[in-house]
Amino acid sequence: EVQLVQSGAEVKKPGESLRISCRGSGYSFTNYWISWVRQMPGKGLEWMGKIDPSDSYINYSPSFQGHVTISADKSIGTAYLQWSSLKASDTAMYYCARRMTTVTTSYFDPWGQGTLVTVSS
Amino acid sequence: SYVLTQPPSVSVAPGQTARIPCGGNNIGSKSVHWYQQKPGQAPVLLVYDDSDRPSGIPERFSGSNSGNAATLTISRVEAGDEADYYCQVWTSTSDVFGSGTKVTVL
Repeated sequence: EVQLVQSGAEVKKPGESLRISCRGSGYSFTNYWISWVRQMPGKGLEWMGKIDPSDSYINYSPSFQGHVTISADKSIGTAYLQWSSLKASDTAMYYCARRMTTVTTSYFDPWGQGTLVTVSS
Repeated sequence: SYVLTQPPSVSVAPGQTARIPCGGNNIGSKSVHWYQQKPGQAPVLLVYDDSDRPSGIPERFSGSNSGNAATLTISRVEAGDEADYYCQVWTSTSDVFGSGTKVTVL
């Protein structure tokens, strides 16, 4: 079974750093890009960026460029999303998803279970 | 940047048909994908490439795409279909999600 398993919920203070993880299993991790998606409380889905685990090439959404860092360790089949200085506005659920691609399109399947990040003083 | 427009909500009685539109400039030239998100759960792929269903997705869920609007159709709606539904496309620079539609089963 193809699965993405994310790390657990986090509660942090403003200014702190954080790294959350997404481990893939049941498929060849380096054959598919991993994307990260944000969902703020009561809001919709926002694409943050994606990484090719085979060479760690990264593409960020302009909305998130410079605010987060995406990385991956192909040796352990894990992708990461990290912040160097959290803000209260980073409070959200974060999902990773395997990116399925064809010549003309891409979509996401499956998704991780989500990691809830709460930033509060 | 490319914008996908969805109505905030759609209400439908059990057994009836729900149609969820996703508007975008010349969206018919793109492949549209749909996700279902139930409360407290991660999104699930429902329809990909306009009208294909992953294994395990009931035939009651179908998609179409033409001109400036794509549509997700839910036939014979059940109480368990109550959820948020998102459309998504890929552009040359990014993946884009619609704003989401909450389907309420009356």
